[in-house]
Amino acid sequence: SQELEQSPQSLIVQEGKNLTINCTSSKTLYGLYWYKQKYGEGLIFLMMLQKGGEEKSHEKITAKLDEKKQQSSLHITASQPSHAGIYLCGADSNSGYALNFGKGTSLLVTP
Amino acid sequence: SQTIHQWPATLVQPVGSPLSLECTVEGTSNPNLYWYRQAAGRGLQLLFYSVGIGQISSEVPQNLSASRPQDRQFILSSKKLLLSDSGFYLCAWSRGGGTEAFFGQGTRLTVV
Repeated sequence: SQELEQSPQSLIVQEGKNLTINCTSSKTLYGLYWYKQKYGEGLIFLMMLQKGGEEKSHEKITAKLDEKKQQSSLHITASQPSHAGIYLCGADSNSGYALNFGKGTSLLVTP
Repeated sequence: SQTIHQWPATLVQPVGSPLSLECTVEGTSNPNLYWYRQAAGRGLQLLFYSVGIGQISSEVPQNLSASRPQDRQFILSSKKLLLSDSGFYLCAWSRGGGTEAFFGQGTRLTVV
């Protein structure tokens, strides 16, 4: 089955700094989804990438899917405390009906 | 617009007691429905999914079961809870395979 590895596991950055979170798949990605989760809450959908080389942005968050479609990166520019939370990448499961997820990257933004 | 409701938000249950968590979706028809569990250090684990009324697929063998009695209602149950059933349970829906899923606010279950 497909496995998604996220790095780093956790990240502490100072407000205003840029950061990058990576998601690597053991198989070709046909759909890659980025979500954000505030602690103790549900997941909020950020964006979906399907095509190799595709790049999308949502406010100050940009995500890319590499040409080989086995890795995605999420980049946050000029981080703010509101960016804090857990970022999870998800991919279509083998069944095609559901999403599998990585273990998440916990982000803390300090003043 | 579509909304998803999940309740209760928190639950503390003794070992051996039954469980029923309910999830309903509004504003869409024939959604795919999902139950996930999130445990510390283990990420988000898919438990069940359903593509239609009465159709349930189980991803992992466990002490839990799911049912879909109505198009937009998804229920997670257990006859006898174990300590290992503790976790954060999330319900989600999507329009179909290959599309994004939308999540409820989750239920924090603690089995004592």
